[in-house]
Amino acid sequence: AQTVTQSQPEMSVQEAETVTLSCTYDTSESDYYLFWYKQPPSRQMILVIRQEAYKQQNATENRFSVNFQKAAKSFSLKISDSQLGDAAMYFCAYRSLFTGGGNKLTFGTGTQLKVEL
Amino acid sequence: EAGVAQSPRYKIIEKRQSVAFWCNPISGHATLYWYQQILGQGPKLLIQFQNNGVVDDSQLPKDRFSAERLKGVDSTLKIQPAKLEDSAVYLCASSPGLAFPGELFFGEGSRLTVL
Repeated sequence: AQTVTQSQPEMSVQEAETVTLSCTYDTSESDYYLFWYKQPPSRQMILVIRQEAYKQQNATENRFSVNFQKAAKSFSLKISDSQLGDAAMYFCAYRSLFTGGGNKLTFGTGTQLKVEL
Repeated sequence: EAGVAQSPRYKIIEKRQSVAFWCNPISGHATLYWYQQILGQGPKLLIQFQNNGVVDDSQLPKDRFSAERLKGVDSTLKIQPAKLEDSAVYLCASSPGLAFPGELFFGEGSRLTVL
């Protein structure tokens, strides 16, 4: 079974600064997807960014980028030019491409990001 | 396009009572998931449907939890009898199908408090 570990329960960043959230995972599969989800206080999970394991190039979405290290099984999220609206719980998630397993999302425990003025 | 709809948003019950949550996925999405999110933890999959068939219910406490998706669209998750440890947010999510490689789409969740 796959596991996802987020070792930072809380992080703080000053507005306009850059912050990096860490995530490691364990799997024996070679092909899979990794995601970062944002969960604001309203609780609806919103996709931030996704990475296909077969792609070596790190995904980027505007101010959000990832550092994907497949061999190290590491998948960190970098938020540049942090804004007050970035404050939320961030979850790292793994999804198998093996449909026989139902390809469900396996989540980490989350990192609460605070953005300070 | 309408998102995943869930109701009720909030529910407070006494232990040993029953409760039901409803989910309507995005139109056309064949796969539906129910996740349990206990405060301070990441969501945990309870059950996954593909159309009206169960794909994975390995972590569903079947002595008290049940779920159905009779017509392959809406789904209901029931807890009977509820325990204190069932206090959590119940998230419903959907995706186009098992072969769809992308993300899941989530509803706003139903927060359950068991007293």
